[in-house]
Amino acid sequence: AQTVTQSQPEMSVQEAETVTLSCTYDTSESDYYLFWYKQPPSRQMILVIRQEAYKQQNATENRFSVNFQKAAKSFSLKISDSQLGDAAMYFCAYRSDYGGSQGNLIFGKGTKLSVKP
Amino acid sequence: SAVISQKPSRDICQRGTSLTIQCQVDSQVTMMFWYRQQPGQSLTLIATANQGSEATYESGFVIDKFPISRPNLTFSTLTVSNMSPEDSSIYLCSVGEGLMNTEAFFGQGTRLTVV
Repeated sequence: AQTVTQSQPEMSVQEAETVTLSCTYDTSESDYYLFWYKQPPSRQMILVIRQEAYKQQNATENRFSVNFQKAAKSFSLKISDSQLGDAAMYFCAYRSDYGGSQGNLIFGKGTKLSVKP
Repeated sequence: SAVISQKPSRDICQRGTSLTIQCQVDSQVTMMFWYRQQPGQSLTLIATANQGSEATYESGFVIDKFPISRPNLTFSTLTVSNMSPEDSSIYLCSVGEGLMNTEAFFGQGTRLTVV
């Protein structure tokens, strides 16, 4: 069974600085998708960024980028020029691309990010 | 991206009663998923709902406790039955979208408190 591990329960960053959130996962599959979701206090799950395992190029979305290391099974999220609105819980998630998979996401425990003004 | 409307957004219920949560999507989707997020915890999959078939439940979740309906490709309900304080959680519905179901979007969540 696949597992996702986020080893940082909490992180803090100064406004305008850069922070990296860690995520590792365990799988025997070669094809899968990885996601980072943001959950602010409103509890809405917001998709931040997605990475296909077959792509070597790291995904980027504006201030958000990932460092995907497939061999190491690592998928970290870098937030540049941090803003107060980035403060939230961040969840790393895995989705199998195996044909027999239901397509659900497997989540890590989350990292609570605080942004200091 | 799919727009998902989930109702109610929150409720406070008496133990022993049941609550039905609705999830409406603005487009037809094959897969709908129901997750539970206990206080301060991550999301755990309850079940997967496909239209026209029985929902598939994860280990630790049973149909008698969490009956699910999926009458069409845009709508699903999750009922939390015979509630106890341990059922106090956020319940979220999610849909897959895009080629090969690679996108995943969520409703706003239902915050349930059982007293």
